[in-house]
Amino acid sequence: DAGVTQSPTHLIKTRGQQVTLRCSPKSGHDTVSWYQQALGQGPQFIFQYYEEEERQRGNFPDRFSGHQFPNYSSELNVNALLLGDSALYLCASRLRENNSPLHFGNGTRLTVT
Amino acid sequence: LAKTTQPISMDSYEGQEVNITCSHNNIATNDYITWYQQFPSQGPRFIIQGYKTKVTNEVASLFIPADRKSSTLSLPRVSLSDTAVYYCLVGTFSNDYKLSFGAGTTVTVRA
Repeated sequence: DAGVTQSPTHLIKTRGQQVTLRCSPKSGHDTVSWYQQALGQGPQFIFQYYEEEERQRGNFPDRFSGHQFPNYSSELNVNALLLGDSALYLCASRLRENNSPLHFGNGTRLTVT
Repeated sequence: LAKTTQPISMDSYEGQEVNITCSHNNIATNDYITWYQQFPSQGPRFIIQGYKTKVTNEVASLFIPADRKSSTLSLPRVSLSDTAVYYCLVGTFSNDYKLSFGAGTTVTVRA
């Protein structure tokens, strides 16, 4: 039973560029959330997708956008990259039923130079 | 939004029991308490979840007093591989944006 998988594992981009990160949820899960984790800090909620729509959003600018596909996989897009966007980006999935805990992938380490 | 407070760091030795207490004075009636473990360069891993009293699984126990204003994660007989950051979350996963991981507690287990 595959867990949450993310690609790529590492990525280096230049300021101003755009990046797309990908996530496949755990088998049987229908809800995907994205988190940003800066070095030495806890994960911060970016947004959540369910039924191919953004359902909830944290305190992140519009440069951060996403998509969920019919097979429940998801993408995170970040435009106009800033140095401060360097972080570990985590994807988490769960079953929609209430209080089903999040299962996390191992993340994509994004470095912006 | 339930704010949580947990120690920044804790040190222990192999074979000892580690107890991490999380304070959450403004926990709401519908909120659950969930603990995650995170190793460097990995995603958080679900450990245990509870609502009240005591919950136990194969890796940990969670003690929740009657007033639910705090909770204690207990790791029995820790090993070096239990060195990690532990996060206490209070809320419901139906409202992900309300869940805050905070800075967590760094547990260091020494030989």
